[in-house]
Parts: sequence; structure tokens; C-alpha cells
Amino acid sequence: SQQGEEDPQALSIQEGENATMNCSYKTSINNLQWYRQNSGRGLVHLILIRSNEREKHSGRLRVTLDTSKKSSSLLITASRAADTASYFCATDTGGFKTIFGAGTRLFVKA
Amino acid sequence: SQTIHQWPATLVQPVGSPLSLECTVEGTSNPNLYWYRQAAGRGLQLLFYSVGIGQISSEVPQNLSASRPQDRQFILSSKKLLLSDSGFYLCAWSLQTGGNYGYTFGSGTRLTVV
Repeated sequence: SQQGEEDPQALSIQEGENATMNCSYKTSINNLQWYRQNSGRGLVHLILIRSNEREKHSGRLRVTLDTSKKSSSLLITASRAADTASYFCATDTGGFKTIFGAGTRLFVKA
Repeated sequence: SQTIHQWPATLVQPVGSPLSLECTVEGTSNPNLYWYRQAAGRGLQLLFYSVGIGQISSEVPQNLSASRPQDRQFILSSKKLLLSDSGFYLCAWSLQTGGNYGYTFGSGTRLTVV
């Protein structure tokens, strides 16, 4: 498996429910980032959590980071149909490269 | 504010034809610039990155090349396209200093080689 793997690959929920996506990685990181991609569009940066941080919030988004387990989770509360998109985690291991996972496809049913 | 422009949005090219995709950034100086490719339903594969004018690092050997003729301009090229070059190409930039900044992506180019 590669650095930055999201789980599940796909998630379908009802509007108003919470959506949780997980990301696991293999090597030490400087930070971990979450991005959103609408179909056929570029990625949009959502949130960045540094390796010395454990939790971060932005609006309806909550990101946690457990460096001992090399994992992160993205929680979207009170989901909306407009949250339907693919979500990617990306790990910065230093240097100039950030490695992206394959993404979780979220479908929110109205 | 910083913006990134990438064009064209879609492109259909015959096998063996040349390619030139352009990306420009506004509102920042000396950014790190990146070209990624995304296969359908997959993650992003880093193709090239640049930390300054004329400085290009290649991540995977392939039929493509990149150039940075100006500080905020990044070009992805090929002399002869292959069918396997089809995909969704994304340009991105990040701040030059430190590492704790996210990337800003362009809107992407859907390339179909026929």
C-alpha cells in the first residue's frame, strides 16, 4: 500500500448525517492535508494539520491526527448534498513533495 | 489574492501529436509549482515540480517534459503523445518557504489522446 490511503473508498449517506473518512500513512510526516474535489474539477484545500497537532476544526469540518497510529480522520458534520465530492488526504514528508491518496468518494443523498 | 490559471480545460489530440499545457500564477512570487496527473477515479501522481525559474525536477520517467520560463509560468509538454498520456492534468502552487502550507490547484485539463 502507498503513503496516504483513504478509507472507505466510497461512502453514501443521507443529508444531515455525519460523514467520517479515514486516512492512514506509513512514514513520518510534517503535516497532513485534506482536499476536496468536485467531479472534473481541481482540488480545493480544506484543512492542514501539523504533526504536533491532534485536532483541528474549520466550520463543519473536524480533523484529527494520531501520529502514533499514523492515521487521520476527517469528519463532516450535518452533511449537505453539496458536500458530494471526492476527498483526498495528502501527506507532507518534507522536501517539496506532497503525496496524495486515492480518495474517498462521498455521496450525500438529499 | 493569489489565483492560478490553467488551460485549456479539455483537449483531444491524436497519437504522435505535440502537447503544450500552460499554467500561470498571479498574486505571489517565487512559488513552488507542480504538475500532477490523475487517472480516472484515482489519486494524484506527481509528474514534475519546480522551485525556481529553469529548475525542474522529474518524478517519473515518461513521455512528458516541463519548463518554467518565468517565475509564475509552468508548462507541460510532449513532442509525441501516446495513448497512455490520456488523463486529467492538474497544475498547483505552494508557498516557497517552509512546509506547512497547502497547495492551490488549477481547474485541470482533461486530455484525451486518440
